[in-house]
Amino acid sequence: AQTVTQSQPEMSVQEAETVTLSCTYDTSESDYYLFWYKQPPSRQMILVIRQEAYKQQNATENRFSVNFQKAAKSFSLKISDSQLGDAAMYFCAYRSAIKTTNSKLTFGKGITLSVRP
Amino acid sequence: NAGVTQTPKFRILKIGQSMTLQCAQDMNHNYMYWYRQDPGMGLKLIYYSVGAGITDKGEVPNGYNVSRSTTEDFPLRLELAAPSQTSVYFCASSYAGTKSGELFFGEGSRLTVL
Repeated sequence: AQTVTQSQPEMSVQEAETVTLSCTYDTSESDYYLFWYKQPPSRQMILVIRQEAYKQQNATENRFSVNFQKAAKSFSLKISDSQLGDAAMYFCAYRSAIKTTNSKLTFGKGITLSVRP
Repeated sequence: NAGVTQTPKFRILKIGQSMTLQCAQDMNHNYMYWYRQDPGMGLKLIYYSVGAGITDKGEVPNGYNVSRSTTEDFPLRLELAAPSQTSVYFCASSYAGTKSGELFFGEGSRLTVL
């Protein structure tokens, strides 16, 4: 079974600075997706960024980028120019790309990010 | 474009009561899921469905039941509510074998059992 580990329960960053959130995962599969979801106080789960395992290039979405290390099974999220609105809980998640599976998302425990003005 | 709609958003139950959390999606997704979120524990899969008439257990199915009579609807039933079921519940959906891999989530339902 796949597992996702987020070992830091909380992090803090100064507004306009850069912060990196860590995530590791364990799988025996070669084809999968990795995601970072943001959950603000509104509780809504918002997709921040996705990475396909077969792609070597790291995904980027505006101020958000990932460092995907497939061999090390590491998937960190970098937030540049942090804004107050980035304060939220962030979840790392894994999903198999094999069509015969139930394609569920497996989540890490999450990390609470606070942004200092 | 409603996406995934969950009702109710909040509910307080007494121990032993029953209730159904409703979930509907209008995106014609094959796959639907129920997760629960407890503080510090991430989201755990309760049940999932790969299509109408097909459901299966996830990691934490005890105390819950589901049905999938249509593509659009995937209700979650709590038969005898217990304090351990106090949680936030999320319904989600996706295409089968989607290239994006993304799950679309509802806004969540906060359930308290007293």
